[in-house]
Amino acid sequence: EDQVTQSPEALRLQEGESSSLNCSYTVSGLRGLFWYRQDPGKGPEFLFTLYSAGEEKEKERLKATLTKKESFLHITAPKPEDSATYLCAVPRSEKLVFGKGTKLTVNP
Amino acid sequence: GAVVSQHPSRVICKSGTSVKIECRSLDFQATTMFWYRQFPKQSLMLMATSNEGSKATYEQGVEKDKFLINHASLTLSTLTVTSAHPEDSSFYICSAERTGGFVETQYFGPGTRLLVL
Repeated sequence: EDQVTQSPEALRLQEGESSSLNCSYTVSGLRGLFWYRQDPGKGPEFLFTLYSAGEEKEKERLKATLTKKESFLHITAPKPEDSATYLCAVPRSEKLVFGKGTKLTVNP
Repeated sequence: GAVVSQHPSRVICKSGTSVKIECRSLDFQATTMFWYRQFPKQSLMLMATSNEGSKATYEQGVEKDKFLINHASLTLSTLTVTSAHPEDSSFYICSAERTGGFVETQYFGPGTRLLVL
């Protein structure tokens, strides 16, 4: 069965302290991996799609990478406004299988 | 970008009444839309898949007669919670699937907070 596991569950950083979030997956025939950001009381906001191992994508302070078994979301010099829950997901048939998310808190 | 709206953003209703939530894709057409439910501090739970012009497909354990879904156009899907009860209070989020790339991408609405008194 397809599984998506995110770690850590929660991460506290000081402003400017770079770190990475992990998303490991067991999927047969990966067609892509998605990263979303969700703020409290809002729907998830699309960040990236990664299609194949070795691919990297960047957006502001975020960089997502993909290997054959996992994906990393690197956050460089985070700011308090980067605080949110970050979700990764993989497609299975026409649905998405989500991880449970990493709640990131960036303290000023 | 791809924008998905939901209306209302927040609704309070009395037990036994019905509530309709609208989900619109504003700048693209979506043959497929999805409805999710999210409890506090939990991940998204898929309720149903809505396909334009056909009946929705419900996930196991979701009552189709209680959660009525209509996808009458390529930009609009509605979820009606019928005879709502306090246990239906939750955060409902829709998504619209955008095709055209290597893989279909779901774009989410801002969510609707439902409180049933």
